[in-house]
Amino acid sequence: ETAVFQTPNYHVTQVGNEVSFNCKQTLGHDTMYWYKQDSKKLLKIMFSYNNKQLIVNETVPRRFSPQSSDKAHLNLRIKSVEPEDSAVYLCASSDDWGGSAETLYFGSGTRLTVL
Amino acid sequence: GEQVEQRPPHLSVREGDSAFITCTYTDPNSYYFFWYKQEPGASLQLLMKVFSSTEINEGQGFTVLLNKKDKRLSLNLTAAHPGDSAAYFCAVTRYGGSGNKLIFGTGTLLSVKP
Repeated sequence: ETAVFQTPNYHVTQVGNEVSFNCKQTLGHDTMYWYKQDSKKLLKIMFSYNNKQLIVNETVPRRFSPQSSDKAHLNLRIKSVEPEDSAVYLCASSDDWGGSAETLYFGSGTRLTVL
Repeated sequence: GEQVEQRPPHLSVREGDSAFITCTYTDPNSYYFFWYKQEPGASLQLLMKVFSSTEINEGQGFTVLLNKKDKRLSLNLTAAHPGDSAAYFCAVTRYGGSGNKLIFGTGTLLSVKP
């Protein structure tokens, strides 16, 4: 049963445009994440938020910015997209922060194609 | 930092055969180990989470083996069926590590032919 919702499913845009992806979780979790999955299916964490606060910001270009209005929502904005941004962006949530490495629950992803 | 290598990247088996996927990791302090399954166009779903203390973990139709000495995590799907066709990812983290410290393997695309 889906509990992490991402919109849109697909987005095609041109180089230089701005895009925004939404993510909402209904699990009551405190922590949310953005992962990037490239064309080879390699998964890399980009950001993680705990209770609306940024906890992890891996080395991603500054054109990427996460936005969280409450602990159930974590959006991702990309200013001026580049061709290498073409990928699937996966949102996830988990219940625990530290201690027991709780399971991540993933959304179905947003596939971005930059022309 | 931790590195996780997953093999093979692609695997094709016949229905009823076994499918064996292996991950090797480098950090001896790794404590939690995960296997996720990603069906085409769908999200990653947890198959199993195992702890450092358990070497053999039985699931429904599969077994997860942990060899701490060799730092190797394996997934064995016994009697695979077409519904098992998907991408499989291992993931590893330390004790006290949360989702942000999960290191994923590079994935294995499994195809099970009737």
